[in-house]
Amino acid sequence: NAGVTQTPKFRVLKTGQSMTLLCAQDMNHEYMYWYRQDPGMGLRLIHYSVGEGTTAKGEVPDGYNVSRLKKQNFLLGLESAAPSQTSVYFCASSYSRQGSQPQHFGDGTRLSIL
Amino acid sequence: ILNVEQSPQSLHVQEGDSTNFTCSFPSSNFYALHWYRWETAKSPEALFVMTLNGDEKKKGRISATLNTKEGYSYLYIKGSQPEDSATYLCASLIKAAGNKLTFGGGTRVLVKP
Repeated sequence: NAGVTQTPKFRVLKTGQSMTLLCAQDMNHEYMYWYRQDPGMGLRLIHYSVGEGTTAKGEVPDGYNVSRLKKQNFLLGLESAAPSQTSVYFCASSYSRQGSQPQHFGDGTRLSIL
Repeated sequence: ILNVEQSPQSLHVQEGDSTNFTCSFPSSNFYALHWYRWETAKSPEALFVMTLNGDEKKKGRISATLNTKEGYSYLYIKGSQPEDSATYLCASLIKAAGNKLTFGGGTRVLVKP
């Protein structure tokens, strides 16, 4: 069972470069989320999606864009990477946004911005 | 600011001992409380989703309780084993936060053989 798959697993960027992180889930979940995890802080929600073609801002959306063109995929884009965006990024999906169902997480993408 | 706080941040447990730690969350507009287990270099895995005051959930040697009126949940590990070493995350779904999960900072548990 693949579950939630994130690509790439590691990436090093220079300041100002752009890149896209891909999240794919095979559980037919409606809801998908992008989090970042920084030392000493919990997971913080960047953007989320409640269904194909819809996205919404989370707690820390600045500097990121997302797209959900297909139900199974949720893309996170950095248009102009900054050192402050060095972090570990986690994608998650869930059947229900109401919280009664657990979220399923990918293995994370470790991103370093030089 | 709607904060979810976990304490302690870390704890060391001798193998075979039992332990517990706390998740505090805003009690107003509560909807659900999640617990996740997060091993190093892996992804967080769901342990429990709790919604009702007084709820108690159990999975093997790990159990959790929920008090929504006072805004706290306890996670218990009975007879800790080295494989229980992980960070345990709690997350609260609060209606005032737009129905999004708010995560605590985690409790890192290290079980010493």
